[in-house]
Amino acid sequence: EAQVTQNPRYLITVTGKKLTVTCSQNMNHEYMSWYRQDPGLGLRQIYYSMNVEVTDKGDVPEGYKVSRKEKRNFPLILESPSPNQTSLYFCASSLTTGVPGEQYFGPGTRLTVT
Amino acid sequence: GQQVMQIPQYQHVQEGEDFTTYCNSSTTLSNIQWYKQRPGGHPVFLIQLVKSGEVKKQKRLTFQFGEAKKNSSLHITATQTTDVGTYFCAGPSSYAAGNKLTFGGGTRVLVKP
Repeated sequence: EAQVTQNPRYLITVTGKKLTVTCSQNMNHEYMSWYRQDPGLGLRQIYYSMNVEVTDKGDVPEGYKVSRKEKRNFPLILESPSPNQTSLYFCASSLTTGVPGEQYFGPGTRLTVT
Repeated sequence: GQQVMQIPQYQHVQEGEDFTTYCNSSTTLSNIQWYKQRPGGHPVFLIQLVKSGEVKKQKRLTFQFGEAKKNSSLHITATQTTDVGTYFCAGPSSYAAGNKLTFGGGTRVLVKP
């Protein structure tokens, strides 16, 4: 089954404790992306990747890191989480090799930073 | 940077009625995409429009891309309870470097039976 998986689905952590949210897709997609969703703000892109070893900032990259060592995986790293990073996070992938098109979203990771 | 606005933010609809939600970008878009997110779920792709003035239909849903490729609309006829959810538009800017994808804030649809 074609899908995007994220782990963990729920995470409660404390300020400053490094964490990684994993994302994997089995569709051989080129484009992968991370979004955060906050009430009233819609989905905001954090980082995206056009291909292996190619990453770029979205609209809200501060406080986040990503890597794309393999085509299928695109982990999101919070080196020193803060309470304002409490949010619902979605990973997504897209077949496109150019302008981003149809996004396939993962189930989401609900992160709480205390 | 590019901004995408959606109105209304909330839409309360009587079952059986029609409604329209609008999407406006501050910059010209290469394409416009629409997604639906059910409560507690993840966004699911509905459709993509690419050409200026393009109109596409999916059963009771009609999507339109403006002539200037800066705005779009989603019209739903004969609303059903299954239409409940938040509808997002999204698009990459034609002018911005890179391949960012900017989403609107969404229109949350509530249906009164």
